[in-house]
Amino acid sequence: GQQLNQSPQSMFIQEGEDVSMNCTSSSIFNTWLWYKQDPGEGPVLLIALYKAGELTSNGRLTAQFGITRKDSFLNISASIPSDVGIYFCAVLEANAGGTSYGKLTFGQGTILTVHP
Amino acid sequence: NAGVMQNPRHLVRRRGQEARLRCSPMKGHSHVYWYRQLPEEGLKFMVYLQKENIIDESGMPKERFSAEFPKEGPSILRIQQVVRGDSAAYFCASSPAKGGRGKQFFGPGTRLTVL
Repeated sequence: GQQLNQSPQSMFIQEGEDVSMNCTSSSIFNTWLWYKQDPGEGPVLLIALYKAGELTSNGRLTAQFGITRKDSFLNISASIPSDVGIYFCAVLEANAGGTSYGKLTFGQGTILTVHP
Repeated sequence: NAGVMQNPRHLVRRRGQEARLRCSPMKGHSHVYWYRQLPEEGLKFMVYLQKENIIDESGMPKERFSAEFPKEGPSILRIQQVVRGDSAAYFCASSPAKGGRGKQFFGPGTRLTVL
């Protein structure tokens, strides 16, 4: 199956710092997404990207869909303690005809720890 | 504004028993997806269902696992004769339309422990 390489695996930062994480693939995808998972909960969608080169913000979060359609990054500015959690990139797979049919493939996740 | 509901939240089974995991999608959503998450790993797709139809089961193990989404009632993920390797968190997600453009809404998960 498809593999997404997400880095870094973990980050330890001070409150107020900016954070950047990225995700790469050997294949082209037309939809990239970023989810956050809190301990003991399911993932929550943060940002969805549908167009190569697109830059989208959601509050202090900004994500970009790489121009090659093989990568994406997520930035968090001015981190706060509640940003703690696991951040996953994901891509929406398409069938042989190029139609998206709902299967998400996730990266391994970036564990973010924020020290007050 | 109930989100995706899953029950039970925690399930303990002994080897050889059956596990039944339930998922009620968000109101108005007719597409359901099941994912499995092993400790310290990302989520892995298992199956995609629409009412009374399995659309894609390419991520389901060939044996012991089955899923259904009946016309009435929740979606069920059934694991027969569980083994220790089945211990994981199982998440259900739903979307209002096919694929949902990736915007799938996840439930809180069922954590299965096999003794």
